[in-house]
Order: sequence, then structure tokens, then C-alpha cells
Amino acid sequence: NAGVTQTPKFQVLKTGQSMTLQCAQDMNHEYMSWYRQDPGMGLRLIHYSVGAGITDQGEVPNGYNVSRSTTEDFPLRLLSAAPSQTSVYFCASSYSGSRGYEQYFGPGTRLTVT
Amino acid sequence: TQLLEQSPQFLSIQEGENLTVYCNSSSVFSSLQWYRQEPGEGPVLLVTVVTGGEVKKLKRLTFQFGDARKDSSLHITAAQPGDTGLYLCAGAGGKLIFGQGTELSVKP
Repeated sequence: NAGVTQTPKFQVLKTGQSMTLQCAQDMNHEYMSWYRQDPGMGLRLIHYSVGAGITDQGEVPNGYNVSRSTTEDFPLRLLSAAPSQTSVYFCASSYSGSRGYEQYFGPGTRLTVT
Repeated sequence: TQLLEQSPQFLSIQEGENLTVYCNSSSVFSSLQWYRQEPGEGPVLLVTVVTGGEVKKLKRLTFQFGDARKDSSLHITAAQPGDTGLYLCAGAGGKLIFGQGTELSVKP
């Protein structure tokens, strides 16, 4: 099993450009999430999905779109990149259960917006 | 809004020392998770504690969930350079809420 994979690993964008961060998992997990990580702020939830066709907003959703057409894939779209979106982005998947959605994280995408 | 406060934010110690990292909240969580993250990688789950007062051991790491399920601690005995990394706690109560993290550096 590859687990959770993310592409690209690094990306530089100019302000106003759009792009899609890819995320895929092969563990048949129902839940998938996108987080951003900034120094001193831990991980903040952007969007999440509880199954194919179902998405919802997290703590910091503005400027990002998601869709979930299959169980395996959960892409994150930046509509019009801004310098405030410079961050490291992590995709995670989990299964439901009594242990509170233990997260399996991808390796991350480091995004710089100039 | 649920918040998790981790302390300390930074910790630099010598090999062989003991340390404790704290994770506190005013909210009750159904479970609490601890993750470790190395530079350039995603966080990796270390342990989940579910029951108030629960203690779990993972080699030299001891995790405790508070009786009221509002706080947790991570104690490392005889720290080694391989323990260096970012330690994150996360509370489950509806959504998963992460603390800010504790950056640990263990010098040989």
C-alpha cells in the first residue's frame, strides 16, 4: 500500500494564479481532509469529506475549493493564489470509529506564492 | 470554539534527560491523539487515548489522558537524539482539533 500520496512536493505560484493540489489514498478510508501548517499554529483544517460526493468546510476554507468524486481522490483547488496561502499543505485520510478518526497523513506540498 | 494549548512550544535538552509535554483545553474530548512529525514529512500517529485517566506506554514514551478528558501529557524518559521532532496533540470532539505543537531538540 502506498498510503496517502500528494503531488506536487513543491510549487511556486505567482499571485492570482490557480492550481490543484492532488491527493490520493489506497486504504479505502471514508474520511479525507486537507490541512495547512504554518509556524506556531499547528494544523488547521481547510476542507474535509466524509465520503464520495460529500464535502464540508473546516476552520480556514476561504480561497480553496474541493470535490470528492471517488473514495480515493480528494483534490484541493486554489482559485486565485495569494501570498497568505504560502504554507505547507497536508492531505490526510481516516476511518470512522470510536478512536476519533486517527489520521494518516501524506508527505505534504510546500507552496510559495510570490 | 474548542482550543488545545500545548506547552512548552520549544524544548531543547541533552541526551539522557527526561521531559514532559502538556496539552490542555477547557473542552472535553472523546479521545486524544499524539503525533510526531519529522522535518519535510507528514505527522505520524503515536497513540490514541480514549478513557479518562488512561495511561499508555510506548517504549520510553508515556501518554496520559486526564480524568476529566480535557488534558493530556507526554513524558519521555532518557531522551535520545532520535526523539527530535515536532510533537502534536489532537482532540476529537466533532472535528479533530490540533494543538500548536512542541518542537523538541535532543542534543547528543
